[in-house]
Amino acid sequence: GQSLEQPSEVTAVEGAIVQINCTYQTSGFYGLSWYQQHDGGAPTFLSYNALDGLEETGRFSSFLSRSDSYGYLLLQELQMKDSASYFCAVDAGNMLTFGGGTRLMVKP
Amino acid sequence: DAGITQSPRHKVTETGTPVTLRCHQTENHRYMYWYRQDPGHGLRLIHYSYGVKDTDKGEVSDGYSVSRSKTEDFLLTLESATSSQTSVYFCAISSIQGQGRHNEQFFGPGTRLTVL
Repeated sequence: GQSLEQPSEVTAVEGAIVQINCTYQTSGFYGLSWYQQHDGGAPTFLSYNALDGLEETGRFSSFLSRSDSYGYLLLQELQMKDSASYFCAVDAGNMLTFGGGTRLMVKP
Repeated sequence: DAGITQSPRHKVTETGTPVTLRCHQTENHRYMYWYRQDPGHGLRLIHYSYGVKDTDKGEVSDGYSVSRSKTEDFLLTLESATSSQTSVYFCAISSIQGQGRHNEQFFGPGTRLTVL
């Protein structure tokens, strides 16, 4: 089976940088994804890492270390609209297994 | 945005009644998924489908059944609803690429189900 661990809550100030970590245990692994979900909304795709290293998309970056079963999402130049829940998810084949989510609160 | 809709968006029902939730896509994606989301548990997979009439169980499948008779529709049925099935249900679709296996999922707006 799969299990994922990520912090339940993170607070940061507008304009700052925040890192959300994710560690996983899985019996099969193709990649690690990140999704964003605003309150009352649906999850939306942010990034996917299949190989080790850093992937950058605008203010968001995602990192993967397959040997350490570890990844993180890095959000730079935080904005109030980044306040949301962020989920890491392991792609183990035909399905994704999601972590419990990290609630990010951005304060002015 | 991916063309994916869910119906109904909200439903209140009583314990013991059958409930069917519908997911409809216009993207012709092969894979469709049903998740439930509860506070503190993130998204948990109930069932998924990898083609017409091809389905498989997820992490929390007990008490749920699914059917997919057409590419565009994926139905989730609670045969006899219980209060523990009160939740927000999300449908998702994906077109997993052969090489690279990038499983990017697009989610529907969700259905809020309350079982009294």
